[in-house]
Amino acid sequence: ETGVTQSPTHLIKTRGQQVTLRCSSQSGHNTVSWYQQALGQGPQFIFQYYREEENGRGNFPPRFSGLQFPNYSSELNVNALELDDSALYLCASSLEASGREQFFGPGTRLTVL
Amino acid sequence: GESVGLHLPTLSVQEGDNSIINCAYSNSASDYFIWYKQESGKGPQFIIDIRSNMDKRQGQRVTVLLNKTVKHLSLQIAATQPGDSAVYFCAEKNSGTYKYIFGTGTRLKVLA
Repeated sequence: ETGVTQSPTHLIKTRGQQVTLRCSSQSGHNTVSWYQQALGQGPQFIFQYYREEENGRGNFPPRFSGLQFPNYSSELNVNALELDDSALYLCASSLEASGREQFFGPGTRLTVL
Repeated sequence: GESVGLHLPTLSVQEGDNSIINCAYSNSASDYFIWYKQESGKGPQFIIDIRSNMDKRQGQRVTVLLNKTVKHLSLQIAATQPGDSAVYFCAEKNSGTYKYIFGTGTRLKVLA
């Protein structure tokens, strides 16, 4: 059984650019949630994908968007990057959308200059 | 608004002593709670969970206590070890929803 993986591990972008982050869910899991974790803060829920559909969204603007693929891997896209988007982006997979236990990946550290 | 907060941002504990990390939650509709451990450069790691129909749950060296009356959650770590040094987060959820709400975290430092 493989765990949750994310790529890339680190990324540096400039303001106004666009970025795509990737996540492979744990084997057998059909639900992926994305979180933003600013330095010194707890993770903040961005959105969740369940069986290729967005299943819920937190308080993030539309320039944060996502996709989930038939193999349940997922992408997080952020357009028009702002300095405040600098954070650790975490994805977590679970067996079902309302599943209790989430397994987190190691995260992608995004720096916006 | 929704919030899950922690009383102590940093906790220093002597190796071998017991640690207690506290958390207050504000959403009385939350019925599921998790403690996560996050080491530097890693994603949060599940430690232990508890449902709202329980007051206490024990794992290996860890115990979670839930007091629904005052909306308080605590994580007790027995015989704290250097490997326990990390940031600990509590998170709450309503079982009818998809969203976890995390607190800001407590850094646990284990002193040799």
